[in-house]
Amino acid sequence: DSGVTQTPKHLITATGQRVTLRCSPRSGDLSVYWYQQSLDQGLQFLIHYYNGEERAKGNILERFSAQQFPDLHSELNLSSLELGDSALYFCASSSPRVAGNTIYFGEGSWLTVV
Amino acid sequence: GENVEQHPSTLSVQEGDSAVIKCTYSDSASNYFPWYKQELGKGPQLIIDIRSNVGEKKDQRIAVTLNKTAKHFSLHITETQPEDSAVYFCAASYPYGGATNKLIFGTGTLLAVQP
Repeated sequence: DSGVTQTPKHLITATGQRVTLRCSPRSGDLSVYWYQQSLDQGLQFLIHYYNGEERAKGNILERFSAQQFPDLHSELNLSSLELGDSALYFCASSSPRVAGNTIYFGEGSWLTVV
Repeated sequence: GENVEQHPSTLSVQEGDSAVIKCTYSDSASNYFPWYKQELGKGPQLIIDIRSNVGEKKDQRIAVTLNKTAKHFSLHITETQPEDSAVYFCAASYPYGGATNKLIFGTGTLLAVQP
């Protein structure tokens, strides 16, 4: 158990809908990362939040947004869903260290868009 | 650009043999190189990592080597066991501001250990 908690574990929704994925980082971790894993794209970096502030964006669609709350949990909002958004969405957390972070992943939220 | 190449994409070995997975990164600013193991239906699990001031690191049957000049790093698993079967991902850190960075992942290697 990495200590990173994600909900829901599985979600099935229709095209055009909106969903929210939730992440609780490890105790004491200030950074939260979101990654998307699909069969043909591997693990793709979406966005990084540090202590409530957005720090970096990756290949995140405009239909997607995220935020990190004062209690450090984070939510990833996916809207106007398309079939191609079906994927595993991972949250990861870390604490900053001088020579680089150790990043721990949750078990993921499996999204199926039908 | 930010890119990590990983080879091979699939690797089948006999139990007890060694397995080697190789990765190449593009940004010389990368200073942290973790390896993750992902089993079916689970999240990536950190198994070993190496930082840029070290050339080699070993943890029981797992070792990682880093060649910063060539921008190569490799995972070595000795005395493989069936429970080592999984997808393995390498990653390289890309720093941006302060002590924070993001990880860029390789495309993964499906390791199958035949009993």
